[in-house]
Amino acid sequence: SQTIHQWPATLVQPVGSPLSLECTVEGTSNPNLYWYRQAAGRGLQLLFYSVGIGQISSEVPQNLSASRPQDRQFILSSKKLLLSDSGFYLCACQVGQGLGTGELFFGEGSRLTVL
Amino acid sequence: ILNVEQSPQSLHVQEGDSTNFTCSFPSSNFYALHWYRWETAKSPEALFVMTLNGDEKKKGRISATLNTKEGYSYLYIKGSQPEDSATYLCAFGGSGYSTLTFGKGTMLLVSP
Repeated sequence: SQTIHQWPATLVQPVGSPLSLECTVEGTSNPNLYWYRQAAGRGLQLLFYSVGIGQISSEVPQNLSASRPQDRQFILSSKKLLLSDSGFYLCACQVGQGLGTGELFFGEGSRLTVL
Repeated sequence: ILNVEQSPQSLHVQEGDSTNFTCSFPSSNFYALHWYRWETAKSPEALFVMTLNGDEKKKGRISATLNTKEGYSYLYIKGSQPEDSATYLCAFGGSGYSTLTFGKGTMLLVSP
C-alpha cells in the first residue's frame, strides 16, 4: 500500500519569507496528488491537485504555487508568505480511480505558523 | 461553490452510547460520498466510499447509509468507545471530472 511522506512537520516563518513543503509517495505509480489546507475553524480546503508530472490545477487564487517535478513528488511553495497562509497543510494521494471516487490517503501534515 | 454540511459540529458522549452524525450534500450530479476519520496527531483515514443510492456500509461498530435523492448520509457508531474520539469528515464527489468537497467535520469526544 502507498505511504505518503510529508515534511517539515512544523514550520514557523516570518511574513514575507518563502515556503517549501514537500510530499513524496511510495508504493504506487501515477497517483493523483493533492494539497489541502485546514485553517482554524474551517474544513479541508483543496489548494492544488495534479494528475501527472508537470500537470497542476489550482482550486483557489492565492500566493501559493505547486509543482510536480516527478511522478511521486509534489511540492507546495510560496515566494512571500502572508499571515493568512497559517494553517495545517495535508498532502494526499489517490490511486487508480477518478477524482471523485478514489479513496484519499493522507500524509501526516505540516503545521505552518506565519508571524 | 458546493455546499457540504455536517452536523452536529461537535458531540460529547459517554462510553457505550450510540451516536450518529449527518452529512448533507447536493442531490444533483452525485458521484460518490466519502467518510473519513481524523484522530488527533494522525492522518485522516478513509472509512467508506459510497456510490449507490440506498447503500449501507459497515466496518466494525461503524456504519453509514446514503440517500442520494435527498442528499444526505448518516454515520452511526454503536457502543462508542474512547478510541472512537476523532473528527469525522464527509466529502462529496460530483459527476464529471471533479474533485472532492469536504464538510467541516463532526468532532466526537467519547468519555470513559
